[in-house]
Amino acid sequence: QVQLQESGPGLVKPSETLSLTCAVSGYSISNPYYSGWIRQPPGKGLEWIGSIWHSGSTYYNPSLKTRVTISLDTSKNQFSLRLSSVTAADTAVYYCARTPPGVGATDYWGQGILVTVSS
Amino acid sequence: DIQMTQSPSSLSASVGDRVTITCRASQAISNYLAWYQQKPGKVPKLLIYAASTLQSGVPSRFSGSGSGTDFTLTISSLQPEDVATYYCQKYNISPWTFGQGTKVEIK
Repeated sequence: QVQLQESGPGLVKPSETLSLTCAVSGYSISNPYYSGWIRQPPGKGLEWIGSIWHSGSTYYNPSLKTRVTISLDTSKNQFSLRLSSVTAADTAVYYCARTPPGVGATDYWGQGILVTVSS
Repeated sequence: DIQMTQSPSSLSASVGDRVTITCRASQAISNYLAWYQQKPGKVPKLLIYAASTLQSGVPSRFSGSGSGTDFTLTISSLQPEDVATYYCQKYNISPWTFGQGTKVEIK
């Protein structure tokens, strides 16, 4: 079955770069899907960070665009998020997710990983 | 960018009540709208996409309607397991913005 699993450091220092990886099983990210990231600060709502099409085209939230990079590693069937120059405002649960083009909405989510930005 | 506004921010209703949540887009988005349910401490779950198409496995008491700028999510008979925060999301073009959420509680 389809599974997504986030991994990466749970603690990042201010001004440094947050790096997360999403390991995918049950389908190939080389097939026509969007692979994306969504975050949720503690006690707050969902924020779409960005997505990448299987071809490599990327789409980012304008509010984060200058700091975000999403990439695919098809050899490992995983994709990654890099968020630079982090501050405490970037503390959140980060979810990786799949969006099939036929649906357009996100049908599978990872369990989420809490990333805290603190010195 | 298109903004998504949900109302109300929270509501309390009795078991068996009909519950309606509204999502309004600042510009027309056709029917490129999804609804998600997030139970406390859990991962969001897709309920409805294309404004009114029920995702497989979702109970039929959930329904969605609307097109253009105004959308609704209806729970026809509220159940205790429906306690959650509900989010709308538009996905016509990037950015795929979420609404701020509506928290549903049992009275």
